[in-house]
Amino acid sequence: AQKVTQAQTEISVVEKEDVTLDCVYETRDTTYYLFWYKQPPSGELVFLIRRNSFDEQNEISGRYSWNFQKSTSSFNFTITASQVVDSAVYFCALSEAGNTDKLIFGTGTRLQVFP
Amino acid sequence: GAVVSQHPSRVICKSGTSVKIECRSLDFQATTMFWYRQFPKQSLMLMATSNEGSKATYEQGVEKDKFLINHASLTLSTLTVTSAHPEDSSFYICSARDLGIHGYTFGSGTRLTVV
Repeated sequence: AQKVTQAQTEISVVEKEDVTLDCVYETRDTTYYLFWYKQPPSGELVFLIRRNSFDEQNEISGRYSWNFQKSTSSFNFTITASQVVDSAVYFCALSEAGNTDKLIFGTGTRLQVFP
Repeated sequence: GAVVSQHPSRVICKSGTSVKIECRSLDFQATTMFWYRQFPKQSLMLMATSNEGSKATYEQGVEKDKFLINHASLTLSTLTVTSAHPEDSSFYICSARDLGIHGYTFGSGTRLTVV
């Protein structure tokens, strides 16, 4: 069964600090997809990234970067030079290609960035 | 990009009444839709998967007679919370499987309060 673990419940940083949010997943499928979403206080989910299991290249998008390591079943997310607007709950999620495409979420990490 | 419109955004209802939440895919056909529930400061828990024209598949522990899901067309899925009670108060959010780069498009969510 698919499972996503986000061990960090809450992280607090001061603006301009770098912060890494951890995500560890479990799956028996060889084909799967990993996601990160941001959920601000409004509740809407903001898509950040989707990565398939065959693409282990790290990705950078502005201040955001992701490190995908199949060897450790991890898909960590780093925010460089954090800003107050980054304050939100961040969810890592997993879908298995052969399991009706259900998207299962981790427990989330609440990030607070203080000025 | 793909858009899923979810209504209402907020609803307050009396205990014992039923509430219907609608999700419409505006510019694409959603063969598969997912319904999630999120209690305060918790993760998104998948309630059920609905496929157009067939019965929904419910996750373990979700009462199918209480949470009625209808997916009668390729653009509309509804969730009806029947005989709502205060413990059903939660944030409900739908998601449609889309073939774009995001993979899934989420509605903006419905905050249900049962008094």
